[in-house]
Amino acid sequence: NAGVMQNPRHLVRRRGQEARLRCSPMKGHSHVYWYRQLPEEGLKFMVYLQKENIIDESGMPKERFSAEFPKEGPSILRIQQVVRGDSAAYFCASSPGGKVYGYTFGSGTRLTVV
Amino acid sequence: DQQVKQNSPSLSVQEGRISILNCDYTNSMFDYFLWYKKYPAEGPTFLISISSIKDKNEDGRFTVFLNKSAKHLSLHIVPSQPGDSAVYFCAASGGGATNKLIFGTGTLLAVQP
Repeated sequence: NAGVMQNPRHLVRRRGQEARLRCSPMKGHSHVYWYRQLPEEGLKFMVYLQKENIIDESGMPKERFSAEFPKEGPSILRIQQVVRGDSAAYFCASSPGGKVYGYTFGSGTRLTVV
Repeated sequence: DQQVKQNSPSLSVQEGRISILNCDYTNSMFDYFLWYKKYPAEGPTFLISISSIKDKNEDGRFTVFLNKSAKHLSLHIVPSQPGDSAVYFCAASGGGATNKLIFGTGTLLAVQP
């Protein structure tokens, strides 16, 4: 039973390019959460999705960031026109229901904007 | 506004001794608290949790204590082992519809052999 799979593990983008981060939840998990960890900080909630629905996007920056979790396939976090301040580790977690004690985190995607 | 605070960025302990990691929170609506362990280049791994209706939860070498009046929780690791060396994050949840977690900034624990 594979865990939460995130890819790529490392992503380098030039300023102004787009970044696409993918997250495949654990089998049987239909709830996905995205968190961002800036250098020297804790993880910050970004968005909570269920299949085909965004439940809570209160942590998402208002511009350039979007997320989806389609009926088929992985959840995607998309960052348009990346800037240096977007450089961070992005973690995805999944759970079978919307309960925090069921969370399982992926290994993260480290985005570097040059 | 940092709702969950870990004021010690690092802690060094001798193998076999007790490690005590502390966490303070400000939001009295939090009803569930968790500790995560994180190695470099990996995602956080769940360690232990506690509901706000309890004041202690124990799992092997790990015990979490909750003091609601002081809005403080602590993680005790006894005995500490070199493999425990990692960053430890405290996290809190206010329940509701989303169950998102609010994380502290982490404490780097180094267990010296």
